[in-house]
Amino acid sequence: SAVISQKPSRDICQRGTSLTIQCQVDSQVTMMFWYRQQPGQSLTLIATANQGSEATYESGFVIDKFPISRPNLTFSTLTVSNMSPEDSSIYLCSVEGQAGGYTFGSGTRLTVV
Amino acid sequence: AQSVSQHNHHVILSEAASLELGCNYSYGGTVNLFWYVQYPGQHLQLLLKYFSGDPLVKGIKGFEAEFIKSKFSFNLRKPSVQWSDTAEYFCAVNPYPYGQNFVFGPGTRLSVLP
Repeated sequence: SAVISQKPSRDICQRGTSLTIQCQVDSQVTMMFWYRQQPGQSLTLIATANQGSEATYESGFVIDKFPISRPNLTFSTLTVSNMSPEDSSIYLCSVEGQAGGYTFGSGTRLTVV
Repeated sequence: AQSVSQHNHHVILSEAASLELGCNYSYGGTVNLFWYVQYPGQHLQLLLKYFSGDPLVKGIKGFEAEFIKSKFSFNLRKPSVQWSDTAEYFCAVNPYPYGQNFVFGPGTRLSVLP
């Protein structure tokens, strides 16, 4: 299965600032997915990032708040903009594996103060 | 909209006890089913998956799950748990036509007492 490198692994940020999370995959993939895992909760899909087109956002998530880039088939970034304490979560990227199932990055633990 | 429910929020067992974690989904069509595990401080790992064929699937670390289509269920089992199984377990469903339509359950926290 694909190996995903995600960074930073954690960060503490001031409210009102922005953080960009990077996700690098060791193989070319068509779709990359960004999830949020709020404290004590399950994973929620933020958006799907396809190379060469705009990301597709799930209900409740908007591009202005979570802009996504997908410059090539192995890399994507998610930016959390104008952060507030409610954005404190773990953010994960994911790709679909060749044999099915989804592989997840190690996550970025974001704390907004 | 599709949803996934997990029967227990927190399960506490002693070592060597048997485990069954319930998972039900609401979707009438064809689905792929998954169980993921998240050990403390670590990232999500795929435990097992079901696409088709034998409804009893075996995963890593002695886990297995049974898909019962008539009950829309995909329960996770292990005959004898170990302290190292302490983790959060997530059931997930990917309905046809698959791809990004991937829904996670709320998770069940398993605590195994030594």
